[in-house]
Amino acid sequence: KAGVTQTPRYLIKTRGQQVTLSCSPISGHRSVSWYQQTPGQGLQFLFEYFSETQRNKGNFPGRFSGRQFSNSRSEMNVSTLELGDSALYLCASSFLAGTTDTQYFGPGTRLTVL
Amino acid sequence: GENVEQHPSTLSVQEGDSAVIKCTYSDSASNYFPWYKQELGKGPQLIIDIRSNVGEKKDQRIAVTLNKTAKHFSLHITETQPEDSAVYFCAASGEGGGGNKLTFGTGTQLKVEL
Repeated sequence: KAGVTQTPRYLIKTRGQQVTLSCSPISGHRSVSWYQQTPGQGLQFLFEYFSETQRNKGNFPGRFSGRQFSNSRSEMNVSTLELGDSALYLCASSFLAGTTDTQYFGPGTRLTVL
Repeated sequence: GENVEQHPSTLSVQEGDSAVIKCTYSDSASNYFPWYKQELGKGPQLIIDIRSNVGEKKDQRIAVTLNKTAKHFSLHITETQPEDSAVYFCAASGEGGGGNKLTFGTGTQLKVEL
């Protein structure tokens, strides 16, 4: 079974631009979560989607948004990019969205903001 | 919200020795505790997880213990090998955090020396 896939793997943007990242979960998984990983803040939860509905949101500004499609694929968008948005963005999928459901991570998208 | 502390931040062991990484959590409602291994340039890979109705779980050279009273859990790796060198993250989730949200520790850089 194929794992979680994320595209693109690398992105370079300039301040003020916006970016869209894509995540395809493991086949059959209905929950997708997004995390931001930086050297300073570590791994931080962005948001979670299940059946096209945002179920949970982390403590990030409104510039960070996401959505989930009927096939469970998800996208996240960051508008008005800032230098501090440079990070590895990780997507994780799970079969359901219970608190004890195992999450499997993709390889991430490395975003660099210049 | 949940807070997870992880120690040590770096750990160096000789090949064949054991390695122990410890985490504490703050939210008594947390009931799921996964451990992830992250190699350079890759996303976190689940290596073992434990749920609050279990005190210990073992998978070959890897074991995790959970003490709900003290709110701490530990990862034990025996007979370490060079390929065990990576960054290890503990995490917690539960009803207090809502849904699938994982709160991560700050990571432990494990180096297995020949």
